Amino acid sequence: KNEVEQSPQNLTAQEGEFITINCSYSVGISALHWLQQHPGGGIVSLFMLSSGKKKHGRLIATINIQEKHSSLHITASHPRDSAVYICAVNSGGSNYKLTFGKGTLLTVNP
Amino acid sequence: NAGVTQTPKFQVLKTGQSMTLQCAQDMNHEYMSWYRQDPGMGLRLIHYSVGAGITDQGEVPNGYNVSRSTTEDFPLRLLSAAPSQTSVYFCASSTPHGGGNTIYFGEGSWLTVV
Repeated sequence: KNEVEQSPQNLTAQEGEFITINCSYSVGISALHWLQQHPGGGIVSLFMLSSGKKKHGRLIATINIQEKHSSLHITASHPRDSAVYICAVNSGGSNYKLTFGKGTLLTVNP
Repeated sequence: NAGVTQTPKFQVLKTGQSMTLQCAQDMNHEYMSWYRQDPGMGLRLIHYSVGAGITDQGEVPNGYNVSRSTTEDFPLRLLSAAPSQTSVYFCASSTPHGGGNTIYFGEGSWLTVV
């Protein structure tokens, strides 16, 4: 079973700060997902990565397959970015059997 | 498109009762899954389906049953509810891995078993 570790568990930032959330996994994967969950809300997919880097607005996700590590960056953070960010990995090329990290709770204060 | 629709959003059950959580998607996705989310733990896979008529167990299948008679629907049945099944349940759908395919989640179903 793939183990997925996220750090930090909790992160508090001031509006405008640059945020980095890290994800490490233990065995080879075919893809990694970054997900966002607002309190009491549903889960939204932000990125799916199998290599390199992706950018969407103020969000940037990178993955290093050799080091089994991914990062999610948020530039110019805003209070609406406050949410739980979850890393999940596919093992074996399937999009239905994901292994999830425990999530990182981000709070951005105005 | 409505995406992935889960019902009910909230439910309180008594121990021993049975119920069905409904999940429907309108994106013609082959893959559908059920996860549960508990405090301090990552989401865990309960059951999944790779197409109509095909289901299989995930990491924590005990006490749950599923069926997939159509591409659109993937209901999760609690056979005899136990307090340990108090959790938030998420249904998800996706296409086979490849390219930029992503995964879509329902809004969640909050279940309390008393």
